[in-house]
Amino acid sequence: EAQVTQNPRYLITVTGKKLTVTCSQNMNHEYMSWYRQDPGLGLRQIYYSMNVEVTDKGDVPEGYKVSRKEKRNFPLILESPSPNQTSLYFCASSHGANEKLFFGSGTQLSVL
Amino acid sequence: SQQGEEDPQALSIQEGENATMNCSYKTSINNLQWYRQNSGRGLVHLILIRSNEREKHSGRLRVTLDTSKKSSSLLITASRAADTASYFCATFPGAGTALIFGKGTTLSVSS
Repeated sequence: EAQVTQNPRYLITVTGKKLTVTCSQNMNHEYMSWYRQDPGLGLRQIYYSMNVEVTDKGDVPEGYKVSRKEKRNFPLILESPSPNQTSLYFCASSHGANEKLFFGSGTQLSVL
Repeated sequence: SQQGEEDPQALSIQEGENATMNCSYKTSINNLQWYRQNSGRGLVHLILIRSNEREKHSGRLRVTLDTSKKSSSLLITASRAADTASYFCATFPGAGTALIFGKGTTLSVSS
């Protein structure tokens, strides 16, 4: 089944403790992206990747890192999480930046 | 950078009625897409309409695009309770850019 798999689904952590949210897709998509969704603000793009070893900042990249060493994986790294990074995070992939996106199920992150 | 803006923010209708949501955007686009999100789950792609298209249909969905007015509408005919969700428009301005989402319309369909 074609899908984007995100883990974990829920994560509670404390300020400053490094964490990684994993994202994997099985559709051989070149394009992958991370979004955060906050009430009243909609979806905002954090980082995106056009292909392996090619990543770029979205609208809200501060406090986040990504890597794209393999085509199927695009992990999101929070080196030192802060409470303002409490949010619902989505990974998405597609054949190209202008094509339809396939979304993961989301990761609800709470930073205390 | 907010590009698309949906209207209304919230819509409540009865089963069997039609639901219309609108999206306005600011700059020229390559394509416009509509997505549905059920209660905190991942977004699901509904339909993509390119800038040279005026109307597209998919089952009970009808999307129109008016590039002169920089607006699009999503019509859901004969709504069902299962259509209860948030609906987002997303615009793609062009090469070198990324898909930009609006804040969404929350649709409630009661039986």
